[in-house]
Amino acid sequence: GENVEQHPSTLSVQEGDSAVIKCTYSDSASNYFPWYKQELGKGPQLIIDIRSNVGEKKDQRIAVTLNKTAKHFSLHITETQPEDSAVYFCAASTNFNKFYFGSGTKLNVKP
Amino acid sequence: DVKVTQSSRYLVKRTGEKVFLECVQDMDHENMFWYRQDPGLGLRLIYFSYDVKMKEKGDIPEGYSVSREKKERFSLILESASTNQTSMYLCASSPPVGEQYFGPGTRLTVT
Repeated sequence: GENVEQHPSTLSVQEGDSAVIKCTYSDSASNYFPWYKQELGKGPQLIIDIRSNVGEKKDQRIAVTLNKTAKHFSLHITETQPEDSAVYFCAASTNFNKFYFGSGTKLNVKP
Repeated sequence: DVKVTQSSRYLVKRTGEKVFLECVQDMDHENMFWYRQDPGLGLRLIYFSYDVKMKEKGDIPEGYSVSREKKERFSLILESASTNQTSMYLCASSPPVGEQYFGPGTRLTVT
């Protein structure tokens, strides 16, 4: 099956700095890559996603890049704010069936 | 507004008890999922269902069963709870092609 690895496990940045979280996947058939944000006491919530026919997608301060050849994708958050502090998960899926998640990154944005 | 609800936020059960975790979604989604979330392991798929009375095993189905008698409801059953099933359980739903929506989770403690 698919194996998704995520790094780093924790990330601490100063408010206003950028944050980058990286994931690799093993199954070349994976074609959908969502990113989720999980705040304390809540379930994960989708913040951005990308499909395999696109190399980059941006939504305000958040962007995701995908390198199919290298089988890795990354989440970029610019101008970080304290409310960005949360746990972030990457995932990979083939045709929206099973979803395989990374182990999560705890992001701490210091004011 | 999509809503996925789980019957309990916190649950404490004894070893050997039969445990039912209920999940209800209000968006008429075909797909429903049960995950467990453990620190450092991310989300791992237990079972998923893509239609009423249909189910497929995920990566860690041992010790669990599921039931989907109605489209909006997906139940996770621990036949005989054990201490290694102490975890956060997350339910999600999605259309056949589209993002997953998660419930708030049930933190289960088995003593």
